Amino acid sequence: QKEVEQNSGPLSVPEGAIASLNCTYSDRVSQSFFWYRQYSGKSPELIMSIYSNGDKEDGRFTAQLNKASQYVSLLIRDSQPSDSATYLCAVPNQAGTALIFGKGTTLSVSS
Amino acid sequence: DAGITQSPRHKVTETGTPVTLRCHQTENHRYMYWYRQDPGHGLRLIHYSYGVKDTDKGEVSDGYSVSRSKTEDFLLTLESATSSQTSVYFCAISESREYADNQPQHFGDGTRLSIL
Repeated sequence: QKEVEQNSGPLSVPEGAIASLNCTYSDRVSQSFFWYRQYSGKSPELIMSIYSNGDKEDGRFTAQLNKASQYVSLLIRDSQPSDSATYLCAVPNQAGTALIFGKGTTLSVSS
Repeated sequence: DAGITQSPRHKVTETGTPVTLRCHQTENHRYMYWYRQDPGHGLRLIHYSYGVKDTDKGEVSDGYSVSRSKTEDFLLTLESATSSQTSVYFCAISESREYADNQPQHFGDGTRLSIL
């Protein structure tokens, strides 16, 4: 069974800073990785997906993947109070039938 | 937003009663999923469906059954609810199981279920 590990946090950063969220996974054959954002009391929302080693940028968000180290991260530049949420890392399960989620990292951005 | 509607949004019931949660989609996506989310455990897959009348078990399927008689509807049934099934239940859909870049898994708004 694959495992996805994330620090639960809370991770606290001041407004305007860079927030760095990390995720490690146990299966070397994983090919696709996803970051979801979940506001309190709401459903998860996909914000980034990454498939190749290196960086993928989308606005203020950058996903970084290192398959050799089995590590994927999410950087949020110019953090805003509206970024305060729980961020979930996910990878497909071994059968490719669904996603396995980490327990999430709670981010708090203070103004 | 992806067209996913979960009903009911909130439910309180008693131990031993049957409960059915409904997920309705308007996207005509083939794949549908039921997850539960609990503090300390994160999101865990209960059951999923890969087509009409085609379903399979997930990580935490004991005590749950599902049915999919139409593409748009995926039902989750707790045959005899227990307090351990108190949770937030999310339905998700995806067009493809390969999770290609433009075919992500989208979630409904969730059902908060309390079993007393």
